[in-house]
Amino acid sequence: AQKVTQAQTEISVVEKEDVTLDCVYETRDTTYYLFWYKQPPSGELVFLIRRNSFDEQNEISGRYSWNFQKSTSSFNFTITASQVVDSAVYFCALNTGANSKLTFGKGITLSVRP
Amino acid sequence: TAGITQAPTSQILAAGRSMTLRCTQDMRHNAMYWYRQDLGLGLRLIHYSNTAGTTGKGEVPDGYSVSRANTDDFPLTLASAVPSQTSVYFCASSGQGIGGYTFGSGTRLTVV
Repeated sequence: AQKVTQAQTEISVVEKEDVTLDCVYETRDTTYYLFWYKQPPSGELVFLIRRNSFDEQNEISGRYSWNFQKSTSSFNFTITASQVVDSAVYFCALNTGANSKLTFGKGITLSVRP
Repeated sequence: TAGITQAPTSQILAAGRSMTLRCTQDMRHNAMYWYRQDLGLGLRLIHYSNTAGTTGKGEVPDGYSVSRANTDDFPLTLASAVPSQTSVYFCASSGQGIGGYTFGSGTRLTVV
């Protein structure tokens, strides 16, 4: 069975602060994919990143960065210099193979105050 | 624009009534999925289809049924709606292998 845990439920920061969203996953498979999605107040799900289990390199995209650590089964997401537009629900998700289903964490609600 | 179309966008439904949520994709993706999103529970898989003609049960299938007569369409039916089925429903699809998932814009259903 696969599981994704997002222990933080709500985070509130002031604009320009850095914030890290935690994600811990469980799977017995050696091949798997991890995802982050953003759900802004408008409700749609926006794909942010996909990382496969064989690529532990951290990734940076503008103000976003992701830290994948297989040793701790974590795939954390950091927003640097947060902005009000970053306010959203963020989901971490896991997929473990062909015909496997995407399993989501419960989501983290991030509020960025001006 | 290629993607997934869900209809209706929102609906208020009387308990005991039936309803079909529609989902159509134009990407020729093999796999399609239905998720429900509830506050504090994230997205949970209801039913899925790996290819046309096949379907399977997800985490929370009770009270729902699906069909996959062709590649493009994956309707979700509530035979007799109950208030606990009040939720936001997302349809998604994925192509060959482990690729990205494309999500529809969701259907907000309220059962009263």
